[in-house]
Amino acid sequence: VMLLESGGGLVQPGGSLRLSCEASGFTFRSYSMTWVRQAPGKGLEWVANIRYDGNEIYYVDSVKGRFTISRDNARDSLYLQMHSLRAEDTALYFCAREDVDMVTSERVIDYWGQGTLVLVSS
Amino acid sequence: EIVMTQSPATLSVSPGERATLSCRASQSVSSSLAWYQQKPGQPPRLLIYAASTRAAGVPGRFSGSGSGTHFTLTISSLQSEDFAVYYCYQYNQRPPHTFGQGTEVEIK
Repeated sequence: VMLLESGGGLVQPGGSLRLSCEASGFTFRSYSMTWVRQAPGKGLEWVANIRYDGNEIYYVDSVKGRFTISRDNARDSLYLQMHSLRAEDTALYFCAREDVDMVTSERVIDYWGQGTLVLVSS
Repeated sequence: EIVMTQSPATLSVSPGERATLSCRASQSVSSSLAWYQQKPGQPPRLLIYAASTRAAGVPGRFSGSGSGTHFTLTISSLQSEDFAVYYCYQYNQRPPHTFGQGTEVEIK
C-alpha cells in the first residue's frame, strides 16, 4: 500500500489549493479514504472522509463550506480542494486509507501517506 | 462531535518499565477505538483497533483494553523504539471521527 500526497505549498490567507493523493498497491475503488491534518507541533485532526463509491462524504465543522473532498477511482486518486484558506489551516495533510475492522464492522484508518505541507501566510 | 481526552500528556518511563496510557470518550464509542504510534517526521502507525486487537506486525508487548468510554493502552516493557507520541482515535458509526490530543512517552 502506498499513498503519495502532493499539491501543498505556501498560499496567502483567502487563497485556494488543491491537494492530491495517488494510491497504489491496493484496489482503490474498494476503500473509503480520509484526510487528516497535523498543525506544526500539534496533534492529529480528522478533516474529511469519502466513501469508496463517493456517495457519502463527511467533514469536520471547521472546514465545511470551504473544503471539498473528491475521488477519481479511474485514476486511483483522492483530492482535497481547499478555498478561503486561513492561518489555522496551516498543517501537514495526510491522505489515509480506511479498512473495515472485522470485529466492529466499522472503518478504521490503517495506512497513511507521508503528508503534504500547507502553509497559509501572507 | 465526540471528544477524546488522553492522559497524561507526557509519561516519563525508563526502558524495561511498564507504561499505561489512558483515553476517555465524551460518550460511548463501543469498541470502535484505535491506537496509533507516531515518531518524529513519520506518519502515524496503527497499533491497536477494536480497542484490543493488535494490528499486523505489532509486538505483543502492546495491548489495549476497554470499551464504552474508557480505554487503556499498555506497553508491558518499554523498548527504545517505543518512545513516541501515542494517539487514540474513535471511529464509531458515522463521521466525524476524532483523535485524542496525544500522550508523549519519553525516556526517564
